[in-house]
Amino acid sequence: KAGVTQTPRYLIKTRGQQVTLSCSPISGHRSVSWYQQTPGQGLQFLFEYFSETQRNKGNFPGRFSGRQFSNSRSEMNVSTLELGDSALYLCASSLFPATGELFFGEGSRLTVL
Amino acid sequence: GNSVTQMEGPVTLSEEAFLTINCTYTATGYPSLFWYVQYPGEGLQLLLKATKADDKGSNKGFEATYRKETTSFHLEKGSVQVSDSAVYFCAPCRSGAGSYQLTFGKGTKLSVIP
Repeated sequence: KAGVTQTPRYLIKTRGQQVTLSCSPISGHRSVSWYQQTPGQGLQFLFEYFSETQRNKGNFPGRFSGRQFSNSRSEMNVSTLELGDSALYLCASSLFPATGELFFGEGSRLTVL
Repeated sequence: GNSVTQMEGPVTLSEEAFLTINCTYTATGYPSLFWYVQYPGEGLQLLLKATKADDKGSNKGFEATYRKETTSFHLEKGSVQVSDSAVYFCAPCRSGAGSYQLTFGKGTKLSVIP
């Protein structure tokens, strides 16, 4: 069974640009969550989607957005990039998210110059 | 909401040493408790879990017991190996009414030297 796949794995952008990250969940998983991981702040929850609906949102500015498609694949977008957006962005899928059991991808490492 | 305090790292141990990583949490009600592990260059993986008081989660030689009285979920292993070098995250999860909140600690980096 294929795991959670995130693309691209690495990317470099400059301030002011925008970026779109993609996540393909494990087959059959309808819940997809996104996290930002930085050395200073650790893991911070961005948002969670279930059946194309955003169910939860973390405390991030509106520059961070996401969506989920009918096949459960998800994308997140960051507009007007800032240096502080440099981070590892992790996607996690779950069959039963309320259990807390998440399956993570390897992440997309974003560097903003 | 939930919050979690983990032992600050990094922790460096020799192979076969005993490991304890402390974790305490605050939460309303009785959350499920998790330890996740992140090996170098990878995403997080579920290591073990406990869903109610006095439950003991175990996996790969690691253990943690849900202590309701002390709101703790300390991770232990009797004899660490070099392959256990990773970052460990404690995470309480509160759920209900179709939603859930999983809160991760800051992580504790473990390095095991031969």
